[in-house]
Amino acid sequence: SQTIHQWPATLVQPVGSPLSLECTVEGTSNPNLYWYRQAAGRGLQLLFYSVGIGQISSEVPQNLSASRPQDRQFILSSKKLLLSDSGFYLCAWSVMVGPYEQYFGPGTRLTVT
Amino acid sequence: GNSVTQMEGPVTLSEEAFLTINCTYTATGYPSLFWYVQYPGEGLQLLLKATKADDKGSNKGFEATYRKETTSFHLEKGSVQVSDSAVYFCATVNQAGTALIFGKGTTLSVSS
Repeated sequence: SQTIHQWPATLVQPVGSPLSLECTVEGTSNPNLYWYRQAAGRGLQLLFYSVGIGQISSEVPQNLSASRPQDRQFILSSKKLLLSDSGFYLCAWSVMVGPYEQYFGPGTRLTVT
Repeated sequence: GNSVTQMEGPVTLSEEAFLTINCTYTATGYPSLFWYVQYPGEGLQLLLKATKADDKGSNKGFEATYRKETTSFHLEKGSVQVSDSAVYFCATVNQAGTALIFGKGTTLSVSS
């Protein structure tokens, strides 16, 4: 069966510090991978998606970036965090072909102070 | 582009009450529709899906029917439990077919 991992689970970082969140998927090959952000009381905002190694599409201009160094690894980064980067970050995967249902990781709660 | 609109919450019900959470969609063609559930502090879980018009998705006592005539995909459950308390998201596929688009979520609170 497929599983998706995210770490860390929670993170408190000062403004201006760097960020690295990691997501890995097990039990599947060539998944589509996604990063979403969920701000308090709001819906999910798609940040990045990837259809393969090194292929990243950005949905929202911001100071965040994403990378996919391996087939089942997706990393969300920032060089300098802003207060507005606080939120709940969710990684998800889906199969390449199909009804596009996505499967989500447990999330990372980021607080920028 | 494609989008979904769901009723705003919170929805507060007593145990064993009937639940309806409304969701309507705007889309080119007939993309798949989904309901996801998020329990406090967790990621989203796929609750049910429908891939074409008139399909009914069902899971754990929840149902939703893909209605082309009313462009709706309302979530229903005949008898809610306290454990159903969560945030529910309606979703569809974006026009490019590359990702899901989510509604803003509806918070359900069930009391005993």
